Amino acid sequence: GDSVTQMEGPVTLSEEAFLTINCTYTATGYPSLFWYVQYPGEGLQLLLKATKADDKGSNKGFEATYRKETTSFHLEKGSVQVSDSAVYFCALSESTSGSRLTFGEGTQLTVNP
Amino acid sequence: KAGVTQTPRYLIKTRGQQVTLSCSPISGHRSVSWYQQTPGQGLQFLFEYFSETQRNKGNFPGRFSGRQFSNSRSEMNVSTLELGDSALYLCASSPEAFSRSKETQYFGPGTRLLVL
Repeated sequence: GDSVTQMEGPVTLSEEAFLTINCTYTATGYPSLFWYVQYPGEGLQLLLKATKADDKGSNKGFEATYRKETTSFHLEKGSVQVSDSAVYFCALSESTSGSRLTFGEGTQLTVNP
Repeated sequence: KAGVTQTPRYLIKTRGQQVTLSCSPISGHRSVSWYQQTPGQGLQFLFEYFSETQRNKGNFPGRFSGRQFSNSRSEMNVSTLELGDSALYLCASSPEAFSRSKETQYFGPGTRLLVL
């Protein structure tokens, strides 16, 4: 079945550091890929998405490129802020399973001033 | 536009009881999905409703059920609660355009259920 694997966390960075959170996936068809963010006590918010190979999703300084050849969708940001501290989830949805999302384990990011 | 709303936000029940959670999607959204979030299992898909019909279901026992009303509002019910049902239950809605898998799902804040 479909699966998503994220880098093990938690991740702790200093403000203005470069961020990479790795995400790889297994899917039988042609999935759409998403990054969601969850702040403490809240639900999930879409951060960015890509629906076909080589697409780049971007939002609020975050970027991720859909790499079909490596089945990856790594999240990057050039300069993190304290306000970026949250849990980040990589997810996919398959065309054969409609809007059902399969999530990775989540990566806790803490940014220190 | 108002976001996805879920009620109640917090709930405490005891083993063996049943519980009903409610979700109101964003206005105009017709698809509603439910997810369970726990520290051990992460985020897991429960089921999806569209036009009052369940069209997708995750791997959960029959104690977990749901329904959708004509105004797209949805409820999920858990009967005979177990300690392991303690979790954050998230509802998500999407507009249902031409390609369901490409659409963004918009999540509510969740209902935190504690089973004692």
